[in-house]
Amino acid sequence: EAGVAQSPRYKIIEKRQSVAFWCNPISGHATLYWYQQILGQGPKLLIQFQNNGVVDDSQLPKDRFSAERLKGVDSTLKIQPAKLEDSAVYLCASSLTLSSYEQYFGPGTRLTVT
Amino acid sequence: AQTVTQSQPEMSVQEAETVTLSCTYDTSESDYYLFWYKQPPSRQMILVIRQEAYKQQNATENRFSVNFQKAAKSFSLKISDSQLGDAAMYFCAYRRAQKLVFGQGTRLTINP
Repeated sequence: EAGVAQSPRYKIIEKRQSVAFWCNPISGHATLYWYQQILGQGPKLLIQFQNNGVVDDSQLPKDRFSAERLKGVDSTLKIQPAKLEDSAVYLCASSLTLSSYEQYFGPGTRLTVT
Repeated sequence: AQTVTQSQPEMSVQEAETVTLSCTYDTSESDYYLFWYKQPPSRQMILVIRQEAYKQQNATENRFSVNFQKAAKSFSLKISDSQLGDAAMYFCAYRRAQKLVFGQGTRLTINP
């Protein structure tokens, strides 16, 4: 069984530029999560999808971050414009259903904003 | 709001010895899950062990076991017979209503 795929693995941009991350969850997983992990901290949930609908985006900075999962499979997370404090690892995870206790994580994208 | 606290930023242990990582959490709920995740340098979070709050028996997975003290809101991870491959960041996490809240992590070093 293929795991959660993410790309790119690394990205370096200048502040005020835009960037997009892509995530492909495990086949058949209905629930998809995006987390932000700042260096030295635990992951923080940004947004949670159930199929193509948003379940929770209460911690997503909506003035600059956006995310979509149009067909209920792949998802993209965009930052526009980026700030220095957005430097972090962005982790994608998926679970079979909303009530599944186990989340499967991808390898993450390390973003550096200079 | 739920919070998870890991008071040990770093721990080290000799190979083959036992080490315990601490975690406390704050919640007013009675039904929840607790987890320990491992994050090696590859950054991929791997589930190590889980505990359902309604279960009094402590969870065990091979060399990994937990000490769950519900009244004290404490959830520690014990790693027995430490191996070099156990070196990683370890995160304690609380789950309620499909939402995971993570602690700050403990970096575990294994000395050969």
